Formats: sequence, structure tokens, C-alpha cells
Amino acid sequence: ETGVTQTPRHLVMGMTNKKSLKCEQHLGHNAMYWYKQSAKKPLELMFVYNFKEQTENNSVPSRFSPECPNSSHLFLHLHTLQPEDSALYLCASSQEAEIYEQYFGPGTRLTVT
Amino acid sequence: AQKITQTQPGMFVQEKEAVTLDCTYDTSDPSYGLFWYKQPSSGEMIFLIYQGSYDQQNATEGRYSLNFQKARKSANLVISASQLGDSAMYFCAMRERTGANSKLTFGKGITLSVRP
Repeated sequence: ETGVTQTPRHLVMGMTNKKSLKCEQHLGHNAMYWYKQSAKKPLELMFVYNFKEQTENNSVPSRFSPECPNSSHLFLHLHTLQPEDSALYLCASSQEAEIYEQYFGPGTRLTVT
Repeated sequence: AQKITQTQPGMFVQEKEAVTLDCTYDTSDPSYGLFWYKQPSSGEMIFLIYQGSYDQQNATEGRYSLNFQKARKSANLVISASQLGDSAMYFCAMRERTGANSKLTFGKGITLSVRP
């Protein structure tokens, strides 16, 4: 099993849909992250969870709602998204929050129509 | 001001040659860390190498080495003996302290193409 997995790999959704992205890490890490990667822009940190507690919300709109039930799983619930939310969403984990190197999943390519 | 600057346009290198990818940074935190990640077309970000601000020696990991010039605030990645599989986007990132926490900031990335 690879270190960090993400499902689905590709998602197309309408602006009125509700969907969820899932991330799972098998590395025994305590911190997990959601990033957004848009074309020609730097990677944008969205949320950080450390020992299941959210430690950072980087001014993300409320239409993105994270959930971290345990240190191995992280979800990103999506509702009433906008076309500009189309991007690659990357999940990552690390031993502790933002101290050690992060290990990334393959990402979910999201298209909002 | 940008925290991490990667200004090179798309880079090209001949297979088996060495290539340097530039990264400059800006921070007032004396205890910071610098990372390089590789992102192939599959999308996954792969950790390559880490340099701490207090490390005396330049970091090396196999064919990757980091040319750390603290006074110039640069942390260039050197890839030796390039391989076709090295073709990818490369991101420089910096960890710095923000109050009680730390924050990781990524640059915009550089595209590297290795020619056979």
C-alpha cells in the first residue's frame, strides 16, 4: 500500500452538487494537510490537522469543509462550488505539523462545471 | 515580497548532464528549513531533499544536492547525471516559524525537461 492515497483521482461536479474527497495515510504520521494547486500558481495550503485537531485554516471559503476523524484519514467535503475551484487537490501527511518533510498523495483533479 | 522565488523559465538538460534549479527565499526567522519537491505529470509531489538553516554542510541525497548559500538566501537544487525520468515540475519550499506554529510556503515551480 502506497504511503498516501487519495480518492477519487478525478471528479467532475456541478455547482449544486455535494461531493467528498478522501485521503488516507499509511505512514503513522500525526499531521495531515489539504492543498490546492491551480494552474500557474504556487501550491496553496488550505487546512492543517495535527493529532486530529485543526491547527490552520488558511482563509478557505466555507464551501470547503474538512473532516479528520483520526490521524490516518482526512476528508474534504465540497458543496456549491464555483468554476474557479477547479484545480488539483493534494493531500499530504508528516510526522508532525509543518516541521518535517511532507509526503503527498497523487491528488484529485476536480472540475466544476 | 515573495517568500520563495523560482524565476527560471522551463529548463532543458541533456540526459546524463547536470542541471541546477534556482531558488531564493526571504525570511526573518533564523531557524528555517528548505525543501525541494518533484511533481511528475502524474500529479504526486515527491520529497527530494531538505536543508536546515543551521546545517553546516550542503544536503545531498543520491543524485540530488542542495547548493545552500545562506548569505545570498539561495538554495539551488543540483541534479547530477540527469535521467529521462527527471522530467517534471520542481518546487522549492520553505518552513519558517509563525508564532507558536510553523508554516510551509511553496514557490511557483520550475519545469525541467530532460532530452535524450
